[in-house]
Amino acid sequence: DGGITQSPKYLFRKEGQNVTLSCEQNLNHDAMYWYRQDPGQGLRLIYYSQIVNDFQKGDIAEGYSVSREKKESFPLTVTSAQKNPTAFYLCASSITGGRADTQYFGPGTRLTVL
Amino acid sequence: AQTVTQSQPEMSVQEAETVTLSCTYDTSESDYYLFWYKQPPSRQMILVIRQEAYKQQNATENRFSVNFQKAAKSFSLKISDSQLGDAAMYFCAYRSATQASYDKVIFGPGTSLSVIP
Repeated sequence: DGGITQSPKYLFRKEGQNVTLSCEQNLNHDAMYWYRQDPGQGLRLIYYSQIVNDFQKGDIAEGYSVSREKKESFPLTVTSAQKNPTAFYLCASSITGGRADTQYFGPGTRLTVL
Repeated sequence: AQTVTQSQPEMSVQEAETVTLSCTYDTSESDYYLFWYKQPPSRQMILVIRQEAYKQQNATENRFSVNFQKAAKSFSLKISDSQLGDAAMYFCAYRSATQASYDKVIFGPGTSLSVIP
């Protein structure tokens, strides 16, 4: 089945550690996105990528890094520079070009700092 | 910059009744897309309905329909014959059709909908 997978579902990090969240899609979508969701709030854009080997910062990129070496993969690294990383992270993808491109979401990763 | 507002943090509806969730947005653009997403307790974001701003006809998907008022910048979601499975957080979202900001999707803060048996 086509879709977006995120792993792990739950992730625990110690202070000072970097952790990487995985996002894979087999929808053949060009664009991929990372969002952060805090309790009682909407989604905030961290990074996005329209094509392989290219990505742009979103509204809250500080303390995060990404790579896009393959079309189907867009991992997010939460670095030790991110002061408050505990949140729910959602990955999404969409086609580009044309009109009415809808974003499709993965199931999310809950990151907790211990 | 565009903004999306959902003025109802929480709402409830009796099973089988109809409920309307409100959304307003602010933009200077004339061409854009609007979406309603549902996030149930599983946290999976699911697209409910989509509206293109250049279309005057309101979008409909089974029990879900929208009231799109472009001049008023309003985009409400009506859920008819509410079911227990409709209980979720609902997010209104805006996406520009302008090439320069095409990839930016602006989400509202969400409305938590409870369905009472």
